[in-house]
Amino acid sequence: KNEVEQSPQNLTAQEGEFITINCSYSVGISALHWLQQHPGGGIVSLFMLSSGKKKHGRLIATINIQEKHSSLHITASHPRDSAVYICAVRRTSGSRLTFGEGTQLTVNP
Amino acid sequence: SAVISQKPSRDICQRGTSLTIQCQVDSQVTMMFWYRQQPGQSLTLIATANQGSEATYESGFVIDKFPISRPNLTFSTLTVSNMSPEDSSIYLCSAGRRELGTDTQYFGPGTRLTVL
Repeated sequence: KNEVEQSPQNLTAQEGEFITINCSYSVGISALHWLQQHPGGGIVSLFMLSSGKKKHGRLIATINIQEKHSSLHITASHPRDSAVYICAVRRTSGSRLTFGEGTQLTVNP
Repeated sequence: SAVISQKPSRDICQRGTSLTIQCQVDSQVTMMFWYRQQPGQSLTLIATANQGSEATYESGFVIDKFPISRPNLTFSTLTVSNMSPEDSSIYLCSAGRRELGTDTQYFGPGTRLTVL
């Protein structure tokens, strides 16, 4: 079993829909990152969470440390949101990140 | 924040040759990492680039195949040696800062390598 599990693996939505991507992890962490990767390959860091909730524009990320679970929400989705969204955790006992498999999101107009 | 640039952005190479990828960060960072992303898969850490000393390699990756340099706090190189088609991947440089309760991770645009 992977230390970081994401669901769903693939997600197709219509423009304007509310989207949720989930991430569960099985180790103690000091931080959880949500990343966005566009088809060209470059990765953008969206959020770093150690507790609670963060919001940036139409993106909201939450984390529940007790349940070892995080969610990324996109409100009023748009075709430009189409990308791979990756959850990554940093263990409390290390400097490396452990990555989930990613969620391929496609938003159709 | 930090901006990371990588050169080259892509390359097509012949089997048996070597390619050196450069990573430049526009500000000093404590940690630099090299990742590989094979087609359709997530990121796999190759090594942590340590300033002024040998890199720390992950299981399955060795210095002879992936020599890494980090002469200062803003620059690192990764060489993919004696390439084979299995080395065709995106190679990503990453930098991190962990200080005063923050944990920030930056990624370069990636180098898309195709080995024929």
